[in-house]
Amino acid sequence: KAGVTQTPRYLIKTRGQQVTLSCSPISGHRSVSWYQQTPGQGLQFLFEYFSETQRNKGNFPGRFSGRQFSNSRSEMNVSTLELGDSALYLCASSFDISDTQYFGPGTRLTVL
Amino acid sequence: AQSVTQLGSHVSVSEGALVLLRCNYSSSVPPYLFWYVQYPNQGLQLLLKYTSAATLVKGINGFEAEFKKSETSFHLTKPSAHMSDAAEYFCAVSVKGGADGLTFGKGTHLIIQP
Repeated sequence: KAGVTQTPRYLIKTRGQQVTLSCSPISGHRSVSWYQQTPGQGLQFLFEYFSETQRNKGNFPGRFSGRQFSNSRSEMNVSTLELGDSALYLCASSFDISDTQYFGPGTRLTVL
Repeated sequence: AQSVTQLGSHVSVSEGALVLLRCNYSSSVPPYLFWYVQYPNQGLQLLLKYTSAATLVKGINGFEAEFKKSETSFHLTKPSAHMSDAAEYFCAVSVKGGADGLTFGKGTHLIIQP
């Protein structure tokens, strides 16, 4: 079974731009979560989607948003990029809320 | 709210020696506890997960962890370190099983000395 895939793997943007990251979960998984990883703040939970609905949300500003499609694929969007948004963005999928999460390789976003 | 504290941002052991990575948690309800490993330029891989079924949890690659409620600890151990164990290790806690949002510790970088 194919694992969680994330595209693109690397991205360079400038301040003020917006960016969209994509995540394809493991086949059959309905829950998709997003995390931000930075050297200073570590791993932080952004949000979780299940059946196209956001069920859980971390403590991030409204510039961070996401959505999930009917095939469970998910996208996250960051608008008005700031230098501090430079990070590794990880996507994880699971069958449901109490099941093991499997992580993708991440998208490395650099904001200049 | 829950939190995780990992003692020691860097731990160095000799190849063949015991690996002990410490994790203490705080949770207002019975927690789900996890250990993940991250190799350079990769995502996170689950080592093991505690779900209250058994206090001693065995994971992949010879790792295990013991849940001690009285000490609010979930330390990770491996009897004999291998060079391939060098990586970043994260302890995490959740309330409902993970997809409700994992709260991670800051991580411990494990160094294996030849």
